Amino acid sequence: GIQVEQSPPDLILQEGANSTLRCNFSDSVNNLQWFHQNPWGQLINLFYIPSGTKQNGRLSATTVATERYSLLYISSSQTTDSGVYFCAVASGGSYIPTFGRGTSLIVHP
Amino acid sequence: KAGVTQTPRYLIKTRGQQVTLSCSPISGHRSVSWYQQTPGQGLQFLFEYFSETQRNKGNFPGRFSGRQFSNSRSEMNVSTLELGDSALYLCASSSSYGYTFGSGTRLTVV
Repeated sequence: GIQVEQSPPDLILQEGANSTLRCNFSDSVNNLQWFHQNPWGQLINLFYIPSGTKQNGRLSATTVATERYSLLYISSSQTTDSGVYFCAVASGGSYIPTFGRGTSLIVHP
Repeated sequence: KAGVTQTPRYLIKTRGQQVTLSCSPISGHRSVSWYQQTPGQGLQFLFEYFSETQRNKGNFPGRFSGRQFSNSRSEMNVSTLELGDSALYLCASSSSYGYTFGSGTRLTVV
């Protein structure tokens, strides 16, 4: 099956800093989503982005399907951005997403 | 539009017991998927139901089963619980725009 690798595994920032999270995948992509898991375990959908670029407020994402990676940008980070960010990719003949191991983000005030 | 609803939020069970978890998808969504999340294995796909039929299955033992009703609500059952089944169980309903997850059921097996 597809391999999904996220980097960095851990990230610590001061409030106001910017960051880039990366997701590499090993096969052609059918769909790709970015999620934020809050401290209570809820997975919140950030972007559905099998290709191209999208923006939502301080967050934006870019997927370059031909080069098999996606990036999530967080600008002017806030303490509420803390949590784990997951990339989930479906590829080939499957539409079932495989999750990466996530990037754990801590934003200090 | 209501989101994905999972019940209960928390469960404590004893080894050897069985447990049933419930998931109601977003209205109009016919596909429901279940995932298990543990610190060691991350998020792993259990199974997917569509129109009351299991359409895909992950690599879990037969103790894990599920079903879907005509109103698209889904249940998953774990029989003969083991300590390693302690996890957060997440349910998602899907559309053309991806997956939307519920808040999860946190199961603790003692």
